[in-house]
Amino acid sequence: GDSVTQMEGPVTLSEEAFLTINCTYTATGYPSLFWYVQYPGEGLQLLLKATKADDKGSNKGFEATYRKETTSFHLEKGSVQVSDSAVYFCALGDTNAGKSTFGDGTTLTVKP
Amino acid sequence: GAVVSQHPSRVICKSGTSVKIECRSLDFQATTMFWYRQFPKQSLMLMATSNEGSKATYEQGVEKDKFLINHASLTLSTLTVTSAHPEDSSFYICSARTESYGYTFGSGTRLTVV
Repeated sequence: GDSVTQMEGPVTLSEEAFLTINCTYTATGYPSLFWYVQYPGEGLQLLLKATKADDKGSNKGFEATYRKETTSFHLEKGSVQVSDSAVYFCALGDTNAGKSTFGDGTTLTVKP
Repeated sequence: GAVVSQHPSRVICKSGTSVKIECRSLDFQATTMFWYRQFPKQSLMLMATSNEGSKATYEQGVEKDKFLINHASLTLSTLTVTSAHPEDSSFYICSARTESYGYTFGSGTRLTVV
């Protein structure tokens, strides 16, 4: 079945540091790929997405590129802020069935 | 577009009682909704797929008699946790998929059973 493997956390960075959170996936067919962010006590918010190979999703300074050859969708940001502290989930969406498969989440803490 | 409204956001109930969680699609029709459960510091696990006008499809290991799902209209799906126990305390999130906007999630319900 489909699966998502996400870099283990927690990750602690200083403000303005470079962020990479690795994500690889296993899927049949051609899923869409997503990054979600969850702030403490809140639900999920879509951060960015990519629907086909070589697509780059971007939002709020975050980027991720859908790499079919390496089955990866790594999240990057050039300069993190304290407000980026949250849990980040990589996910794939089954286009046909409509359900999502999530990675285990990576907790990011950014210190001033 | 494609907003899913989930209520309540937090609920505390006594052990043995039932709790209903609602998810409404505000600006689109959701023929299918998905219910997820998230334990503290863990990922989201799919519990069931809710289909309008038919029985829900439950994932392996999820008790259908305990987690009752009703999807009576194209804009409303409900999850009822029956005879709740402390081990049912969790964060429950619904989701829907639309052709235009992709996947959208509700804001989640934090259930605490005391």
